[in-house]
Amino acid sequence: KNEVEQSPQNLTAQEGEFITINCSYSVGISALHWLQQHPGGGIVSLFMLSSGKKKHGRLIATINIQEKHSSLHITASHPRDSAVYICAVMDNFNKFYFGSGTKLNVKP
Amino acid sequence: DGGITQSPKYLFRKEGQNVTLSCEQNLNHDAMYWYRQDPGQGLRLIYYSQIVNDFQKGDIAEGYSVSREKKESFPLTVTSAQKNPTAFYLCASSIGAFRRLNTEAFFGQGTRLTVV
Repeated sequence: KNEVEQSPQNLTAQEGEFITINCSYSVGISALHWLQQHPGGGIVSLFMLSSGKKKHGRLIATINIQEKHSSLHITASHPRDSAVYICAVMDNFNKFYFGSGTKLNVKP
Repeated sequence: DGGITQSPKYLFRKEGQNVTLSCEQNLNHDAMYWYRQDPGQGLRLIYYSQIVNDFQKGDIAEGYSVSREKKESFPLTVTSAQKNPTAFYLCASSIGAFRRLNTEAFFGQGTRLTVV
């Protein structure tokens, strides 16, 4: 059983569409991270959140601690948003758990 | 600005050679971690360290070694005993379980190692 589940695994969108990637987790957490990985590239940390909502440019991340669920939204998607998005949680014992990633392809 | 730095971003080595990946942080974090990612796969824990001069094996430690002589540094050596060393390696740090505010964590950019 995976402690962190992401959906969908793959997502194709047209440029300009609103995108949502979901993350559910089963452990008690102290923080949740959203990471971005471009093909052949490194990791970029997008958000770290432990409650509520954060916004950075066209990206919005929300978390519901009671429901153990987080969403990453991308507004007005662009082909440069094409990447793998990874949800990671840190539990109360300082251990990380990672989702398997959502591969996003935004077509022009 | 504080952060975590992995170097180099891309690394090529000949088969049979040991190679050391660097991970440095200036965040005053107690805990540091190394993960491995294979193509199309998730991240798996290699080693972690909760405090200086101490470290524990993760899920896939065979063929790897680490040291934690300084709080800022957690180098990972990929030894010749690692059968499939070609992978993406990610370092992370967190403020540490020994402190009350343990939510702060950062990730490096990663090192892509290719062994030929």
